[in-house]
Amino acid sequence: DAKTTQPNSMESNEEEPVHLPCNHSTISGTDYIHWYRQLPSQGPEYVIHGLTSNVNNRMASLAIAEDRKSSTLILHRATLRDAAVYYCIRRRDSGGSNYKLTFGKGTLLTVNP
Amino acid sequence: NAGVMQNPRHLVRRRGQEARLRCSPMKGHSHVYWYRQLPEEGLKFMVYLQKENIIDESGMPKERFSAEFPKEGPSILRIQQVVRGDSAAYFCASGPPEDTGELFFGEGSRLTVL
Repeated sequence: DAKTTQPNSMESNEEEPVHLPCNHSTISGTDYIHWYRQLPSQGPEYVIHGLTSNVNNRMASLAIAEDRKSSTLILHRATLRDAAVYYCIRRRDSGGSNYKLTFGKGTLLTVNP
Repeated sequence: NAGVMQNPRHLVRRRGQEARLRCSPMKGHSHVYWYRQLPEEGLKFMVYLQKENIIDESGMPKERFSAEFPKEGPSILRIQQVVRGDSAAYFCASGPPEDTGELFFGEGSRLTVL
């Protein structure tokens, strides 16, 4: 049970920003929000993660709501290479070294040229 | 710095045969995770191992499936007496002992059971 909710699919145009939403209304204080993506016929690829503050890296930005019940992955300029399934994952901090991820169905992002 | 290496990339077996899937983690990584992705479905966690230890096998089927990560060599996921329902992509991920927030996945091994 991934305990996150994402739209099944979204569409974007090339070179436009994309905002991928995720709801995690039952999140607890120590749960991290992780985003991974899976291109066709490939393994998942890490995108970004955060706890409370907004995060930026070379791939994307992560905006986390103040109450932490939702978050948005932002791709600033979509390219055709960004077409993939995007997974929003709530990772529980077990206090040990088990960093397993529980994947849901994700959002299939289509990028139009 | 090579990424996570999985082999074989494709494996075909007949019902009742055994399948062995191998995973070499990234250099310096001592944690290995196995996932299964059935056709048109999401990834399901199977097992988490450290060197010579199974830490979490809560996602492993109770029968026919086993995993190991020996002191030397790759991690191996073994499926005995395969059935058609075992046809799937099996992905391995590795991570370092400390929590960097990132797991690195291999390109997967695709098992087809005839």
